[in-house]
Amino acid sequence: SQQGEEDPQALSIQEGENATMNCSYKTSINNLQWYRQNSGRGLVHLILIRSNEREKHSGRLRVTLDTSKKSSSLLITASRAADTASYFCATDPIKAAGNKLTFGGGTRVLVKP
Amino acid sequence: KAGVTQTPRYLIKTRGQQVTLSCSPISGHRSVSWYQQTPGQGLQFLFEYFSETQRNKGNFPGRFSGRQFSNSRSEMNVSTLELGDSALYLCASRLDSPDKAFFGQGTRLTVV
Repeated sequence: SQQGEEDPQALSIQEGENATMNCSYKTSINNLQWYRQNSGRGLVHLILIRSNEREKHSGRLRVTLDTSKKSSSLLITASRAADTASYFCATDPIKAAGNKLTFGGGTRVLVKP
Repeated sequence: KAGVTQTPRYLIKTRGQQVTLSCSPISGHRSVSWYQQTPGQGLQFLFEYFSETQRNKGNFPGRFSGRQFSNSRSEMNVSTLELGDSALYLCASRLDSPDKAFFGQGTRLTVV
């Protein structure tokens, strides 16, 4: 079962606009990771944010984490056609034995040129 | 460093057959996890191996099994294939929790 819910499920924007997607989860976590997936290929790691962090940046990406609300957001600024992909959040639960990422359902982003 | 390598990239199998998928993690990473991705169920955790031991297992039938070798390479095996096993199988490599997990390109399995 998936721990996370992502919102929206799909997003269509024009090149140059910002894209924001949200992720909610259910249990306490060590960290939350965001991934990008292009059309049925592997997952590309974007950002890892730890439970004691509130915001993190990487290039045009900004991730926030609110552990009190059990939610995270990913903002892509100045989007490009190459940002067209599905984006997934994945949580690393605190009490899991070993490594077990739990994924949200993903947000499909279409950036129109 | 080389990334996570999964082989083969594509497979077509017949119902009832078995299949073995391979994953070579990033050098130095001892944790290898496997995930199944389908349009209906999304990304689901299969199992994780660390230093040749299975540490965690998802909610999949016993037809799904795996192992890890001393060089950290891992294989997963699916026996008695069913049509519903058609999926993208992804392998993830990490030093350990709570580090970043890096994924391979996946193996696309089609069962006919």
